[in-house]
Amino acid sequence: KAGVTQTPRYLIKTRGQQVTLSCSPISGHRSVSWYQQTPGQGLQFLFEYFSETQRNKGNFPGRFSGRQFSNSRSEMNVSTLELGDSALYLCASSDLLAGGRSPNNEQFFGPGTRLTVL
Amino acid sequence: AQSVTQLGSHVSVSEGALVLLRCNYSSSVPPYLFWYVQYPNQGLQLLLKYTTGATLVKGINGFEAEFKKSETSFHLTKPSAHMSDAAEYFCAVSGGTSYGKLTFGQGTILTVHP
Repeated sequence: KAGVTQTPRYLIKTRGQQVTLSCSPISGHRSVSWYQQTPGQGLQFLFEYFSETQRNKGNFPGRFSGRQFSNSRSEMNVSTLELGDSALYLCASSDLLAGGRSPNNEQFFGPGTRLTVL
Repeated sequence: AQSVTQLGSHVSVSEGALVLLRCNYSSSVPPYLFWYVQYPNQGLQLLLKYTTGATLVKGINGFEAEFKKSETSFHLTKPSAHMSDAAEYFCAVSGGTSYGKLTFGQGTILTVHP
């Protein structure tokens, strides 16, 4: 099976702009999670989607949003970019049992999108 | 709430020496524990995981970890370091109804000297 793919791999934006990042999970995986990785804050959970519904959300401002499509592909959007949004954004997918529960929450990560805000 | 503490942001070993990366966790529910590795400009790769059952877990590339509930620890070890082990290592915890959420430690950068 192909792994998790993320596009684009690199992005450069300026303050005040908005950006959309895309994630395609492993075939058959219905759960997609997003993380932000920065040198100062480390790896932080943004949100998780399952069957087009956001089930869990981290402690980020409303400028960060996401969605999931019927084919499980997910996008995240950041509006009104700030310098501090510069980070590696990682997407991960999980294979869940019926009912939306995972036996171990094992997640498979994509290569990430490196966002630079100037 | 869950949290992870990795002791030592940098660990340096000689090739062939024992690798020991420390991880302590806090969890109000039975935890699932993971170790991930990250190479430069790449995503995270799962090394090993503990869910239930045997407390000594073997992973890829010769790594293993032992779940010690009484010490709330999940330290990662490898008997003999290789140059290719140089990377950043993350311990993570999940569990309960924290759907799709892994809580990570701050990471430990492993350097391997020839």
